Order: sequence, then C-alpha cells, then structure tokens
Amino acid sequence: GAVVSQHPSRVICKSGTSVKIECRSLDFQATTMFWYRQFPKQSLMLMATSNEGSKATYEQGVEKDKFLINHASLTLSTLTVTSAHPEDSSFYICSASLSSGSYNEQFFGPGTRLTVL
Amino acid sequence: AQSVSQHNHHVILSEAASLELGCNYSYGGTVNLFWYVQYPGQHLQLLLKYFSGDPLVKGIKGFEAEFIKSKFSFNLRKPSVQWSDTAEYFCAVNGYYKLSFGAGTTVTVRA
Repeated sequence: GAVVSQHPSRVICKSGTSVKIECRSLDFQATTMFWYRQFPKQSLMLMATSNEGSKATYEQGVEKDKFLINHASLTLSTLTVTSAHPEDSSFYICSASLSSGSYNEQFFGPGTRLTVL
Repeated sequence: AQSVSQHNHHVILSEAASLELGCNYSYGGTVNLFWYVQYPGQHLQLLLKYFSGDPLVKGIKGFEAEFIKSKFSFNLRKPSVQWSDTAEYFCAVNGYYKLSFGAGTTVTVRA
C-alpha cells in the first residue's frame, strides 16, 4: 500500500521556538494532505487540509499563523508550529490522499510527538 | 456538523472470543464510513470501508462491519480474536467534507 512518512518522529523544544514537521508520500503523488492533532486518549482532530500549490484550509479554531502549512510538491507537506508553547505539546499526524476530497482513502503517517518545555 | 461516538473506551477479552465494537454517527446526509486500526507503535491502517452497496462490509484480518442506516451505526465485528488483534480501533465518518474520528477503543486480547 501507499506509504507516508513523517519526520521527526519525536521532538522536544523550548517554549518560544518554532518546530517544522515534514510529511512525505513515499511511493505516490498526494494531491491532498491532511494534518491532525491527537491528544491522549482522544480522537484525531483535523487541523487543516492542504492541496498542492494552494493555501491550506484550516478548521475552525486552528490558528493559521500559529500552524503554518506548506504543500509545495505532490510528495511533501510541512507543518511549522511557530512560537511553540507547552499547550502545543501533542501528537501530530499527517495523512495523504491520491485525489482531492477526504472521501478518498487517506494513508496515515506514523505521527510526530511534540513536547514543548 | 458530523460527529462519531464509540461506545467502549477499553475492551479486554480472551483469545477466540468474539468482538463487537460499537460506532454511531450523527449526520443527516450520505456518509462514507471507515474503521481504522492502530497497532502498538504503528501507523493508522484501514481495516474496512463502506461507500455504498451491501451494508455488510468485509475487511482485512477477518473483520467485518455492518452499516445500519436507520440506527446511524457502523459496528465492527470479528468472530474469533487473536492476541495480535490487540490495538486501538477508530471509527471514522465522512459526510461533509472531512473525516471525523471517534475517540477510539483500546482492545486488549489476553492469550
């Protein structure tokens, strides 16, 4: 099946710094990529949807200036958490879809654990 | 808005026992339904999906799910579990424009 990777798998940073997380589709071209956030014992919450070459669409309540998303190519999307604070500590998961529209199967990355001190 | 509810937070059972995980959703229109599994330390993987047609859907590893439209349900079943089925199971629904996940059910199978 389609493989999605994320890097890094785990990151610890100081409060006020920025952290970039990469999401790559390794063996297919992903028209659409999705970024989710997962709190302990809770479900995945969609943060934003990005289509290659266009601006990301953010979910209500997600600060676009805080969580910068870039989808510059069909195989790479990045999420940058700017000026991170302890409350941003979470598990961030990306997924990629072969076509636009989340009704198509999404292939998930392994997630990135962010800890902000 | 759409939402997904999974009935059980944690299920513990013995090998060879039958498993049923409940999932209900709220959305008034046409939906696509999914069950994902996350084995310890691994990615989310698709177990099965329903888009249309036969409401009884068969997935990988002996899992199946039944879509009951009148009950807004999409319960997951497996007749006889194995120790390797220990994992987190997520029900997900796409009815609007995004995939909404339930809170997940942790299944622990004792050998």
